[in-house]
Amino acid sequence: EAQVTQNPRYLITVTGKKLTVTCSQNMNHEYMSWYRQDPGLGLRQIYYSMNVEVTDKGDVPEGYKVSRKEKRNFPLILESPSPNQTSLYFCASSLSRTGFDGYTFGSGTRLTVV
Amino acid sequence: GQQVMQIPQYQHVQEGEDFTTYCNSSTTLSNIQWYKQRPGGHPVFLIQLVKSGEVKKQKRLTFQFGEAKKNSSLHITATQTTDVGTYFCAGGENSGGSNYKLTFGKGTLLTMNP
Repeated sequence: EAQVTQNPRYLITVTGKKLTVTCSQNMNHEYMSWYRQDPGLGLRQIYYSMNVEVTDKGDVPEGYKVSRKEKRNFPLILESPSPNQTSLYFCASSLSRTGFDGYTFGSGTRLTVV
Repeated sequence: GQQVMQIPQYQHVQEGEDFTTYCNSSTTLSNIQWYKQRPGGHPVFLIQLVKSGEVKKQKRLTFQFGEAKKNSSLHITATQTTDVGTYFCAGGENSGGSNYKLTFGKGTLLTMNP
């Protein structure tokens, strides 16, 4: 089944403890992206990657890192999480950046930083 | 920068009533996409519009792209309980070369009496 898989689905952590949210797609998509969703603010892009070893900042990149060493994986790294990073995170992928075939989203990761 | 405004933010209907959400961009778009997110779920791609004045239908859903390619609408006829969720538009802007950006609106939450 074609899908984007995120792990974990839920995570509660403490301020300053490094964490990684994994994202993997099995559709051979070139484009991958991370979004955070907050009430009243919609979906905001954190980082994106147009291909292996090519990443770039989205609208809200502060406090986040990403890497794209393989085409299928695009992990999101929070080196020192803070409470304002409590949010619902989605990974998405598409054949191309233009997403003319639409973006496929993962099931989401609900992160709470205390 | 590109802004995509979506109205209304919330809409409560009685089952069987019609529903419309509107999307407006501050700039001319190359394409517009629509997504649906069920409560507790992830955004799911519904459709893409590319041409000026384009109209597409999916059963009870009608999608329109404005003549100036700066606005779009989603109309649902005779809503059903399965239509409950948040509907997002996402406007694509191509500013030349590989500079393409897809910006999501904040979404319209459709609720219904059980």
